[in-house]
Amino acid sequence: GAVVSQHPSRVICKSGTSVKIECRSLDFQATTMFWYRQFPKQSLMLMATSNEGSKATYEQGVEKDKFLINHASLTLSTLTVTSAHPEDSSFYICSARLARSYNEQFFGPGTRLTVL
Amino acid sequence: KQEVTQIPAALSVPEGENLVLNCSFTDSAIYNLQWFRQDPGKGLTSLLLIQSSQREQTSGRLNASLDKSSGRSTLYIAASQPGDSATYLCAVWRNNDMRFGAGTRLTVKP
Repeated sequence: GAVVSQHPSRVICKSGTSVKIECRSLDFQATTMFWYRQFPKQSLMLMATSNEGSKATYEQGVEKDKFLINHASLTLSTLTVTSAHPEDSSFYICSARLARSYNEQFFGPGTRLTVL
Repeated sequence: KQEVTQIPAALSVPEGENLVLNCSFTDSAIYNLQWFRQDPGKGLTSLLLIQSSQREQTSGRLNASLDKSSGRSTLYIAASQPGDSATYLCAVWRNNDMRFGAGTRLTVKP
């Protein structure tokens, strides 16, 4: 149980295009989902916290107009990187928190974004 | 602001050796602490989760301890194997978010 999937696993796009990444909780309901970014040889940095049915809360330094987050249902959150540039190339990982559990997150396998 | 530090940043040991990875955090008011393994280019694999009320957790050759008052956790790996080679991350959970350390890159040589 408690499986989180991400799609796509890898994406390569041209500079200036937008890319959408999906995060799904497959067998549980997640009231809260989190989006992280990881640059090579660095740790995960929290980008934003997304609650179902409300606006996401962004960490300091993360542009909300560039990284659009939608959490329209209890099993799906999407991250859209708008007008992507090479510096946005990174590993994006989502996690989901069980609706009934405050203390544990389950992580997706990550999405490797490469912007040419 | 919670800061998580992991020492050492990299560690290379011969196969069979026992080893300890360290994690420290600045704010002791945490809900839990979790150790993860990350292979190159891959996502996170949860290894051990220690709730704030617990002092240690064990799984196979892994043992994690938590000392909230001093803001420290250790991950002990017994009889290391080449397959243990990976980056090990610790993360603390508090106030609706999880903060990660930079990781320890472990190499176990055959």
